[in-house]
Amino acid sequence: QSALTQPASVSGSPGQSITISCTGTSSDVGGYNHVCWYQQHPDKAPKLMIYDVRNRPLGVSNRFSGSKSGNTASLTISGLQAEDEADYYCSSFRSGNTWVFGGGTKLTVL
Amino acid sequence: QVQLVQSGAEVKEPGASVIVSCKASGYTFTGYYMHWVRQAPGQGLEWMGQINGGSGFTVWAQKFQGRVTMTRDTSISTAYMELSRLTSDDTAVYYCAKDTNTWSIDYWGQGTLVTVSS
Repeated sequence: QSALTQPASVSGSPGQSITISCTGTSSDVGGYNHVCWYQQHPDKAPKLMIYDVRNRPLGVSNRFSGSKSGNTASLTISGLQAEDEADYYCSSFRSGNTWVFGGGTKLTVL
Repeated sequence: QVQLVQSGAEVKEPGASVIVSCKASGYTFTGYYMHWVRQAPGQGLEWMGQINGGSGFTVWAQKFQGRVTMTRDTSISTAYMELSRLTSDDTAVYYCAKDTNTWSIDYWGQGTLVTVSS
């Protein structure tokens, strides 16, 4: 059971937009609209940023948006801010009533 | 407010077992699944499994088949995760995390560091 595939790192300057991809299979990302994105700052627990592909929990900035095409989901962060620098993980429901996380992407704000 | 308070750090020898507890408060424990997720030092998140707080139904990742046991005690709103036959690869921070009932996690425990070393 392999993890979802994410780029190891992405970077952007303040005010710019970046997109992080998350590639799975038809048994997870492609087969269900239950993709989430989590933000994790160093030595902190993860925080839910997006659920069900594109929905934002209350309190999460609308600078964060999600989408999906086929077996690949994406997280876009617009108007990058210094506080956005963190690790980002996607997750997906997978057949067999299991879950799977991506390998994580380190976002650097230049 | 929702809180998940986990047991303290553990140091175990290879081959031993460890039990991590997670006491929940601020919500109806029996109404939600509880996930267990681990993170090895400098590594990513790894989903281990989940337990239904009400029925006790469990599902775990195939990787942990035969080594992980998830239980709960509804009388004290506490979930437990036991991992057996520990190796150094099991050294990680273990999190319990509350499901939202919409296929996502909204609250996490503070994490429990389990170190496996001889």
